[in-house]
Amino acid sequence: AQTVTQSQPEMSVQEAETVTLSCTYDTSESDYYLFWYKQPPSRQMILVIRQEAYKQQNATENRFSVNFQKAAKSFSLKISDSQLGDAAMYFCAYRRYTGGNKLVFGAGTILRVKS
Amino acid sequence: DGGITQSPKYLFRKEGQNVTLSCEQNLNHDAMYWYRQDPGQGLRLIYYSQIVNDFQKGDIAEGYSVSREKKESFPLTVTSAQKNPTAFYLCASSPRRPAGQETQYFGPGTRLLVL
Repeated sequence: AQTVTQSQPEMSVQEAETVTLSCTYDTSESDYYLFWYKQPPSRQMILVIRQEAYKQQNATENRFSVNFQKAAKSFSLKISDSQLGDAAMYFCAYRRYTGGNKLVFGAGTILRVKS
Repeated sequence: DGGITQSPKYLFRKEGQNVTLSCEQNLNHDAMYWYRQDPGQGLRLIYYSQIVNDFQKGDIAEGYSVSREKKESFPLTVTSAQKNPTAFYLCASSPRRPAGQETQYFGPGTRLLVL
C-alpha cells in the first residue's frame, strides 16, 4: 500500500520570503500522480499543483513550484514571495496512474506567515 | 457557475440516528468521492463512485452508506453503526477522461457533530 509522509507538522515563514514544505512517499509503481492541496481556515481544499511521475520537469504554478525527486521518492513544495493568504494547512497526496482514483494523503503541514 | 456544493455546513446527530450528507456537482464529472478528515490527520477515503449506479468502498467504509442514482449527486449516509462520526466530511469529484485529467476537486465540506 502506498503511504505519504509529511514530516513537518508546522512551518513558519516571513512575508515575502521563501519556504519549502517536505513530502516523501512510498510506492512500488513507476507511474503515478502527486499533488499539493491547500486548506485555508475556511477548510475548502484547493489544488495548488500537480506532478505526473513520468515527467522529469518540475511543475510550476506562479509562486508555487515543486522539487520532484523520483528516485528518492520526494516531492517538496516551494512557495516563493510568501503572502499572508498562503497561511493554511498543506497536504501532499498520491494517486496511482491507473486502477482507480483514490488519493492517499499525508497528515498535513500547517504554514504560518508572519507579517 | 460550476462547482461542488455540500449541505448542510453543520450537522448534529443524536445517538442511534442516521443522517445524510448531501453532495451535488454541476461540473459534469463522472467520478465522485467522500473523504473524512479528523484533527491532525489527512483525508481518508470512505466511498467512491466512478459511474452512475456503481460505487466502491474506500479505506473506512464501515458505518457509512452511499448511493449514486444521478451523475450530479452522491449522498453519504452516516448510520448508527458508525461509533465515532464526529469529523469533517469532504466530497470531491473528477472527470474520468481524458487520461491525466482526473484531478479531484473538492466541495466546502460538512462538519458533523454528535450530541
